[in-house]
Amino acid sequence: DTGVSQDPRHKITKRGQNVTFRCDPISEHNRLYWYRQTLGQGPEFLTYFQNEAQLEKSRLLSDRFSAERPKGSFSTLEIQRTEQGDSAMYLCASSLDREEAFFGQGTRLTVV
Amino acid sequence: GESVGLHLPTLSVQEGDNSIINCAYSNSASDYFIWYKQESGKGPQFIIDIRSNMDKRQGQRVTVLLNKTVKHLSLQIAATQPGDSAVYFCAENDGKSTFGDGTTLTVKP
Repeated sequence: DTGVSQDPRHKITKRGQNVTFRCDPISEHNRLYWYRQTLGQGPEFLTYFQNEAQLEKSRLLSDRFSAERPKGSFSTLEIQRTEQGDSAMYLCASSLDREEAFFGQGTRLTVV
Repeated sequence: GESVGLHLPTLSVQEGDNSIINCAYSNSASDYFIWYKQESGKGPQFIIDIRSNMDKRQGQRVTVLLNKTVKHLSLQIAATQPGDSAVYFCAENDGKSTFGDGTTLTVKP
């Protein structure tokens, strides 16, 4: 399968711990996006990269969140000092330029 | 700021009927829109897109209509099937997609 893959699929962590998620995009896609989705809501944009450059970050993105795409291929999203409000599905997507985005299955984070 | 909204949070149709899902947007400068389908436990999946130089685009069993005058989009699904049951999102794309809250489509057999 050559779609977008995310790891892990599920993560349970204690409040205050740090977590890191990984996303492997479709190989020929130059753009990579991170979204967060809570139950009953649409995906909420967090940030996106074009190649290794982080082009945009949502104003809603707390400074506890950081994303990297060091070689313009896979990306990581780290959340420091997790809070219960961080519990959500974290979705990664990739696209070729501004064309339609292909989403991964997401990482479901539960902060207890 | 930009926003995208759907008219109805839920829609229930009989199998074989046509479905129409509506969406309104606020930014008159928006020039690219995408409809996504999200099934339970999965990420959103691209259905069809439309650019502002068009007012209609057709795919397999789906049609998207764009009315720039009233800033309105609709997704029409012909002969709706049980496998069409999902949450449908319209998204405004300005480099990244901005999603509304979705319409849950339920298809009754």
